Amino acid sequence: EDKVVQSPLSLVVHEGDTVTLNCSYEVTNFRSLLWYKQEKKAPTFLFMLTSSGIEKKSGRLSSILDKKELFSILNITATQTGDSAIYLCASLYYGNNRLAFGKGNQVVVIP
Amino acid sequence: DTAVSQTPKYLVTQMGNDKSIKCEQNLGHDTMYWYKQDSKKFLKIMFSYNNKELIINETVPNRFSPKSPDKAHLNLHINSLELGDSAVYFCASSQNRAGELFFGEGSRLTVL
Repeated sequence: EDKVVQSPLSLVVHEGDTVTLNCSYEVTNFRSLLWYKQEKKAPTFLFMLTSSGIEKKSGRLSSILDKKELFSILNITATQTGDSAIYLCASLYYGNNRLAFGKGNQVVVIP
Repeated sequence: DTAVSQTPKYLVTQMGNDKSIKCEQNLGHDTMYWYKQDSKKFLKIMFSYNNKELIINETVPNRFSPKSPDKAHLNLHINSLELGDSAVYFCASSQNRAGELFFGEGSRLTVL
């Protein structure tokens, strides 16, 4: 079964638009939630979220975790063509310390 | 000075062959992983080693055998390759098993 569900699976936006990506996860033994960006090759780390309600920002990207409703959002403002990528959400659990990935949000930004 | 390096980057082979992918990390991390990413880009964990000890072994066919000679290396050997093994295999490492993963650039395996 899927521990991590991402939506939408794919979207196409124009440069300058704002993108909101969703990631829901299972609660049992939840430890933290991570976001990665994958362009052509290796996924690269964006954020790790452990506490609810605390926004993390990096330039035009921001992310927040809601541990009551069991989801996280990744926002990208003023999108650029370089933001085109697959955004992967993963949840980490206590016990097995296993990182479970979702299927990704494929974002295409057109000029 | 690549942090996590995998070789080869591309591998094309016939069904039934045996092949290996090597991975090395120079980050001083104690945990290493193998992930498989299929054509739909779904990343799924296969194995994890912590200080040369196997700690995660997903339901992967026993044709796949990881080997960790030391904590900086984790190799993946695959016997009797099948068409369904075609995928991109990512090696990754982390510190303390709870931190962010650092990924290699992937090894694209194509089985004909």
